Order: sequence, then structure tokens, then C-alpha cells
Amino acid sequence: AQSVTQLDSQVPVFEEAPVELRCNYSSSVSVYLFWYVQYPNQGLQLLLKYLSGSTLVKGINGFEAEFNKSQTSFHLRKPSVHISDTAEYFCAVKGPVRGKLIFGQGTTLQVKP
Amino acid sequence: GAVVSQHPSRVICKSGTSVKIECRSLDFQATTMFWYRQFPKKSLMLMATSNEGSKATYEQGVEKDKFLINHASLTLSTLTVTSAHPEDSSFYICSARERRDPDYEQYFGPGTRLTVT
Repeated sequence: AQSVTQLDSQVPVFEEAPVELRCNYSSSVSVYLFWYVQYPNQGLQLLLKYLSGSTLVKGINGFEAEFNKSQTSFHLRKPSVHISDTAEYFCAVKGPVRGKLIFGQGTTLQVKP
Repeated sequence: GAVVSQHPSRVICKSGTSVKIECRSLDFQATTMFWYRQFPKKSLMLMATSNEGSKATYEQGVEKDKFLINHASLTLSTLTVTSAHPEDSSFYICSARERRDPDYEQYFGPGTRLTVT
């Protein structure tokens, strides 16, 4: 069965500092990988996705992620965060059945001034 | 493009009553819609998958008779929480997958906050 593990439940960081949110997945088949952001009391917004091709994926709001097949990781990075990046971030993998997304537990990014 | 709406955004109901939540794809046809439940500070839990014109497929542990899902058209799916109880209070989020979308992307609605008193 496929699964996703987000290694950090909370990541505090100062404004303008770089940040990395970690995500590891397990799968025996090819995967599609996603990062979503959720602001308080809102739905999910897609940040970026990896389907195939280049392992470095660039998304919205200056975020990027790198697919590492050997380490089964898909870590999210941003070189300089803003206060407005404070939110919940979810890593997800698309399972083989009916296009179901399997989500990680989420990481709360807290950007401090 | 690819906008999904939910209505209502917030609803408060009394224990024992039923509540209907609508999920609409505004600018595309959604052959498949998904319903998720999210508890505070927790990840999303898939409740069911619905295909237009077919019965929904529920995830293990989700009560079919309590959470009624209808996907009657390519732009509308509804979730009805029947005989709601306080433990049903949660944030419910739907998503929709576009017809002929080879990238399998799901577009998410803004969510509905249900509070059962």
C-alpha cells in the first residue's frame, strides 16, 4: 500500500529564512506526487506536482520540490519565506486506485517576523 | 479556470437533523468527485469517491447510510449527513477531477464547516 510521511509536524522559521518541509513516500509502483497548501478555514491549493520528467519541480509562490526516487522523498523548499507563507502544508501521492490522493499528516509552517 | 465551490461554507444544525452540502465544478465537467473529512490539525481523510451517474464508493469505516452522496450531474455532487450528532462536527472538503484530464489533478473546494449542537 502507498503511504506518505511528513517528518515534521511543525516548522518554525524566521521571515526571509530558507525552509525545507520533508516528505517521504512508499510505493511499489510509479507515483505522482503533490504538495498542497491550506490556509486557515480554507480548502487546499495546489503548490506543485511531479508527474514525470525533470526531478526538480517549480511551483507557485516561489516553492520548489525535488523528486528523489532512490530516497523516496519529495521535499518542499523555499529560499526565503514570507509571513504570508504561514499555513498548513500537505504532501500527497496519487494511489493506483480511482485516482485517490493519499495525504501525509501535514506540516504547519510558522513564519515569525 | 478549474474552480470548485461548496455551499454552505458554514452550517450549524441540531443533533438529529440532516444537513446537505453541495459541491459544484463551476467551469469544467467533473466525472469524479471526492469527499474528504478533516479534523482539527489533522490530515484529510477520504470518505468516498463518486462518479457521475453511479453509486458512490465509500472508504472502509465510513457509514454509507449516514453520509449519503449523490453525483447526479457532471457539475454537482451532494453530501448529506443524516441524523447528525456532535461527533459529526468537522470540516468537509470536496474535490473534483476533470473529464479527460490525463494529469489526474483534483481541484479542491473551499470546504464546509459543520457544527452539530
